[in-house]
Amino acid sequence: AQRVTQPEKLLSVFKGAPVELKCNYSYSGSPELFWYVQYSRQRLQLLLRHISRESIKGFTADLNKGETSFHLKKPFAQEEDSAMYYCVLTGGFKTIFGAGTRLFVKA
Amino acid sequence: NAGVTQTPKFRILKIGQSMTLQCTQDMNHNYMYWYRQDPGMGLKLIYYSVGAGITDKGEVPNGYNVSRSTTEDFPLRLELAAPSQTSVYFCASSYGARGQLYNSPLHFGNGTRLTVT
Repeated sequence: AQRVTQPEKLLSVFKGAPVELKCNYSYSGSPELFWYVQYSRQRLQLLLRHISRESIKGFTADLNKGETSFHLKKPFAQEEDSAMYYCVLTGGFKTIFGAGTRLFVKA
Repeated sequence: NAGVTQTPKFRILKIGQSMTLQCTQDMNHNYMYWYRQDPGMGLKLIYYSVGAGITDKGEVPNGYNVSRSTTEDFPLRLELAAPSQTSVYFCASSYGARGQLYNSPLHFGNGTRLTVT
């Protein structure tokens, strides 16, 4: 079955602490993986994509095909990182969303 | 650019009523989508369109209809509202081209919160 799993519904960390939002996927072909973010009272927007291999707002994510994972990481969390994060897989014309993880960064 | 604009933002319907959720985009994107998001769940695709005049069903199309008469507009119609359709609805668009190697990112509207009682 094709699916995206984000095991944590809520992740709470202190400002300055490292953060890792987990994402595992199941897909038979070669997927593209994305992270989307929704800040409070804003629309859902693209954060980063695996093919870009870039760091956005200090976040990085590496596609691990062996472990079928695409975890989102940031070494030092900031309060403005508090948001809802979605791991998204696209393959062919399918787009599959994870259930999302709410990140709360405490002062 | 306004991007993707959805109206209304909120709506309460009685069972059996009908309504149309409007979605328009000004980015000249070929692909448009309607998703619904139930509490604690990921977004599920209702319908999508790869261009004007072309629509197709997603994962959860029952109870909905769409049309795509122009590139810009992709309205979603609920004919006989049911409590199971209580959800947040998102419209999205992306640039799509035949033979494109990688999928383009999705651009989302702000969402419509619909309650059916």
